[in-house]
Amino acid sequence: QITLKESGPTLVKPTQTLTLTCTFSAFSLSTSGVGVGWIRQPPGKALEWLALIYWDDDKRYSPSLKSRLTITKDTSKNQVVLTMTNMDPVDTATYYCAHRVYGATYFDYWGQGTLVTVSS
Amino acid sequence: QSALTQPASVSGSPGQSITISCTGTSSDIGGYNYVSWYQQHPGKAPKLMIYDVSNRPSGVSNRFSGSKSGNTASLTISGLQAEDEADYYCSSYTSSSTLEGVFGTGTKVTVL
Repeated sequence: QITLKESGPTLVKPTQTLTLTCTFSAFSLSTSGVGVGWIRQPPGKALEWLALIYWDDDKRYSPSLKSRLTITKDTSKNQVVLTMTNMDPVDTATYYCAHRVYGATYFDYWGQGTLVTVSS
Repeated sequence: QSALTQPASVSGSPGQSITISCTGTSSDIGGYNYVSWYQQHPGKAPKLMIYDVSNRPSGVSNRFSGSKSGNTASLTISGLQAEDEADYYCSSYTSSSTLEGVFGTGTKVTVL
């Protein structure tokens, strides 16, 4: 059974850089066709797609956040890392990672999410 | 890339059918058969309910069905049950974003 779990700080200060790790099991990012994405959800608001990385290191970013985001993978550790620079209180949200198959346009497995609060 | 438009709320009584709409453009919903729907209970992660407009993943009740007409996709829940009370989000492939995908604004379904 595919599982994913997000980890990282629960509280960051404005202007700091956020680093989140997605640790997954039952699939490998060295397998052709596999991808992992990051999605966030501010409290009481809608989902927002942030970034996506595929097995071949193809990376996609939200156009509105591209300058602040970096997504990387560590195949040996079964992890995907998302960094977001210059954090602001409006970035307070639950951050999810999710599994996707290349060619598919949906996320079929999701992590439980991790709430990140941006406050001084 | 703007979010897809959904009604803020839809309600129905147990046993009834309800339909949630999701409106986009010819660059997303209207141009491709790549609409998906997610169910999200409070404090939980989204769960995939429908993919590629009308396909159900294994384990999803056949009370959930999807369709599309023009730039609008729809999710229908038949035989509404108390456990269906949740938020629902549509999503579509889009050719107007490098991320290739966009979510809807979300709909709160209330079972009366």
